[in-house]
Amino acid sequence: EAGVTQSPTHLIKTRGQQATLRCSPISGHTSVYWYQQALGLGLQFLLWYDEGEERNRGNFPPRFSGRQFPNYSSELNVNALELEDSALYLCASSLAPGQLILGYGYTFGSGTRLTVV
Amino acid sequence: GEDVEQSLFLSVREGDSSVINCTYTDSSSTYLYWYKQEPGAGLQLLTYIFSNMDMKQDQRLTVLLNKKDKHLSLRIADTQTGDSAIYFCAESPSTSGTYKYIFGTGTRLKVLA
Repeated sequence: EAGVTQSPTHLIKTRGQQATLRCSPISGHTSVYWYQQALGLGLQFLLWYDEGEERNRGNFPPRFSGRQFPNYSSELNVNALELEDSALYLCASSLAPGQLILGYGYTFGSGTRLTVV
Repeated sequence: GEDVEQSLFLSVREGDSSVINCTYTDSSSTYLYWYKQEPGAGLQLLTYIFSNMDMKQDQRLTVLLNKKDKHLSLRIADTQTGDSAIYFCAESPSTSGTYKYIFGTGTRLKVLA
């Protein structure tokens, strides 16, 4: 079974540009979660998509946005990039949301390292 | 608040036991998790414990849960150099309705040969 795949692995952008990050969940998983892992700050919850809709977002400005496609893959877009957006962006998928409280947990991808210069 | 706290660093000698501690915030969390992140990789689910349990053992891993103090620990027996990684604890507050995890800052475990 293929795991959660993210692309690209690395992305270098200049300040003010836009970045698009992609995630393909495990087959059968309908929920996709995005987390930002900035240096020294642990994992910060960004967005949760399920069945094509945004279900919840973390404490991030509106220039962080995304969507989920009918095949459950997802895109994270970051507009007007700032230097502090440099981080590892992790995508995770899970079965339907209710499964999370049954201990199944997330399955994470390897992440996209975004560097803003 | 939504703070899950962990110490940042732990260094142990190969063959010794490692104990990584975590303090969480929400007593409604049904499950608590430990994830491992190796360099350059995503997070891998190591183990989890249901909130009505005090202890769970899985091969070299032992999870202890103290609900009264909201304290979670992960013990790794016979620590190996391959255990060097960042370990995150996570809670999923069942009252949040958002089905998101709240992660700690991670503990970087360094195993000395």
